[in-house]
Amino acid sequence: GDSVTQMEGPVTLSEEAFLTINCTYTATGYPSLFWYVQYPGEGLQLLLKATKADDKGSNKGFEATYRKETTSFHLEKGSVQVSDSAVYFCALRSASGGSYIPTFGRGTSLIVHP
Amino acid sequence: NAGVTQTPKFQVLKTGQSMTLQCAQDMNHEYMSWYRQDPGMGLRLIHYSVGAGITDQGEVPNGYNVSRSTTEDFPLRLLSAAPSQTSVYFCASSSPGRGLETQYFGPGTRLLVL
Repeated sequence: GDSVTQMEGPVTLSEEAFLTINCTYTATGYPSLFWYVQYPGEGLQLLLKATKADDKGSNKGFEATYRKETTSFHLEKGSVQVSDSAVYFCALRSASGGSYIPTFGRGTSLIVHP
Repeated sequence: NAGVTQTPKFQVLKTGQSMTLQCAQDMNHEYMSWYRQDPGMGLRLIHYSVGAGITDQGEVPNGYNVSRSTTEDFPLRLLSAAPSQTSVYFCASSSPGRGLETQYFGPGTRLLVL
């Protein structure tokens, strides 16, 4: 079945550091890929998405590129801020089987210090 | 649009009590789902619905019931609460479309079962 694997956290960085959160997936066909962010005390919200191989999703300075050859969708940001402290979830929605319910990774907590 | 709303925000139950977590969306989305979020476990799918009158089980359905009598509402019922059901519950909705859909999440309900 479909699955998403994320690096375990917490990831602790200083402000303005470079961020990478790794995400790899297992799925049949060409799934759509997503990154969601959960700020403290809130629900998840979509951060970015990519629907086909080599697509790059971007939003709020975050980027992720859909790599079919390595089945990866790593999240990057060049300079993190304290306000980026949150939990980040990688997810996929399979293209097969007719199901529109996504599969989520376990989440990676990011803590950014001033 | 209010988006996805959940009530209550916080609830304390005694073991054996029953209750209903409410979820409503005003975006005319066909798909709705319930997740629970536990530390280190990420999001786990409890039940989902692909339209009014149609529901199905997710990864962890035991101890929970759902129904979908209208497009807007998708309540989650705990039949006999147990301490293992202490968690944060999120409702989400989406509208299917090849690679275009996004899950919209509610703010969550924190449940403590004593």
